[in-house]
Amino acid sequence: DGGITQSPKYLFRKEGQNVTLSCEQNLNHDAMYWYRQDPGQGLRLIYYSQIVNDFQKGDIAEGYSVSREKKESFPLTVTSAQKNPTAFYLCASSIFTGEPQHFGDGTRLSIL
Amino acid sequence: DQQVKQNSPSLSVQEGRISILNCDYTNSMFDYFLWYKKYPAEGPTFLISISSIKDKNEDGRFTVFLNKSAKHLSLHIVPSQPGDSAVYFCAARGGVGAGSYQLTFGKGTKLSVIP
Repeated sequence: DGGITQSPKYLFRKEGQNVTLSCEQNLNHDAMYWYRQDPGQGLRLIYYSQIVNDFQKGDIAEGYSVSREKKESFPLTVTSAQKNPTAFYLCASSIFTGEPQHFGDGTRLSIL
Repeated sequence: DQQVKQNSPSLSVQEGRISILNCDYTNSMFDYFLWYKKYPAEGPTFLISISSIKDKNEDGRFTVFLNKSAKHLSLHIVPSQPGDSAVYFCAARGGVGAGSYQLTFGKGTKLSVIP
């Protein structure tokens, strides 16, 4: 079955550490996205990538970094510069023409 | 400044009745609107969409209405079922170039369908 896999489902980070969230898709989608969701809030765009080796900042990119070396993979690194990293992180993908985005099941990041 | 607003944080409806979820937007560049359904600890699932060239789109029990002049859309679920209980997000897309791929989400409305 095609889909988006995010791992791990739960992640804990010590203050001052970088942590990387994994996102893999086998839908052959060109575009991939990272969103952050906080309690009672909508989803806010962190980064997106329309094609391999290219990515753009979203609305809240500060403290985050991404890479897109393969079409299937779009990992997100939460750096120590992100002062409030505790949140639910969602990865999504869509075909190049901008059809509805499909989402993974998310990673919940907490600070120890 | 919220460009997509869902002013009702929650809604309770009796099973079998109609559920109406509302969404307002401010950006006139938005030309494509989507509804997503989300269960706890899961990612959102695409439900239905509508292009700005239409005023209605129907898919089974789900119908989305778009009123461009009022910058308002609504999702109707008829009849409502207990399995419809979830958080519903309204999202909008628009602009040109790279911006056309970005979705702007509302804060969501939690629907509870009471058996």
